Amino acid sequence: SAVISQKPSRDICQRGTSLTIQCQVDSQVTMMFWYRQQPGQSLTLIATANQGSEATYESGFVIDKFPISRPNLTFSTLTVSNMSPEDSSIYLCSVDTGTYEQYFGPGTRLTVT
Amino acid sequence: GESVGLHLPTLSVQEGDNSIINCAYSNSASDYFIWYKQESGKGPQFIIDIRSNMDKRQGQRVTVLLNKTVKHLSLQIAATQPGDSAVYFCAERSRNYGGSQGNLIFGKGTKLSVKP
Repeated sequence: SAVISQKPSRDICQRGTSLTIQCQVDSQVTMMFWYRQQPGQSLTLIATANQGSEATYESGFVIDKFPISRPNLTFSTLTVSNMSPEDSSIYLCSVDTGTYEQYFGPGTRLTVT
Repeated sequence: GESVGLHLPTLSVQEGDNSIINCAYSNSASDYFIWYKQESGKGPQFIIDIRSNMDKRQGQRVTVLLNKTVKHLSLQIAATQPGDSAVYFCAERSRNYGGSQGNLIFGKGTKLSVKP
C-alpha cells in the first residue's frame, strides 16, 4: 500500500481566487491521479499527473482551470483556478502502486463562497 | 439501485447480519474491479479487488462476486458491524481506457447503515 497526505485538509475560499492542493506519497509511484467528488456524489477523474510531462485531462476538465504539477515521483499539486461556488467539492489525490491497486489520500474539502 | 443525484441508495442492516451491496458496471472491456469504503470526511479506502479472470474472491469478512455475463459486481460483508457503516463504491478499470494501466471509473455508491 501507500500512505498519502494532502494539504490543506479543508479551506474556504472567495470566488475568483485560486487554491493549490498538495499531495505527498511515502514512496515513489508511477501513476498519480486527481479526482473530484461533489457533495453526496461519486468520484470523477480530473486528470492523470505525469512526471516530467504535461498532465492528461479527462473530458470536461482543462489545464487553464486545473493546472497540475508533478515534479517528481512522490509529489503533485492541483490548482483550482478562478474559483466559483460550483467548484466546491472534495478533491482527492490517488496513486497506482503498479500492482493494479489504487489508493487515495484523505481529500481536501473546498468551499467557495 | 440507481442513484438519483444527491440521494445515494441506502442499505440498512442489523448488526451481525450479512450485507450484500450490488453494482452494475458499464464496460464489457473492463478487466479489473475494486470495492472502496468511504467513511464520512475521509478518502476512499481500498477493501478488495478482483480481476476479470475470476468470479469470486474472499478477504477477511468480505467476498466479491463478479458476473461478467450481466456485468454485475457484488460485495458481501459477513457479520456486519457498526464500523462497517460507510458509503461503498465499486470501480472498474479497462485496459482500453487510456494510460498504461487504464483509469478507474467509479459507480454511484451505496450507503450502508448498520443498526446496533
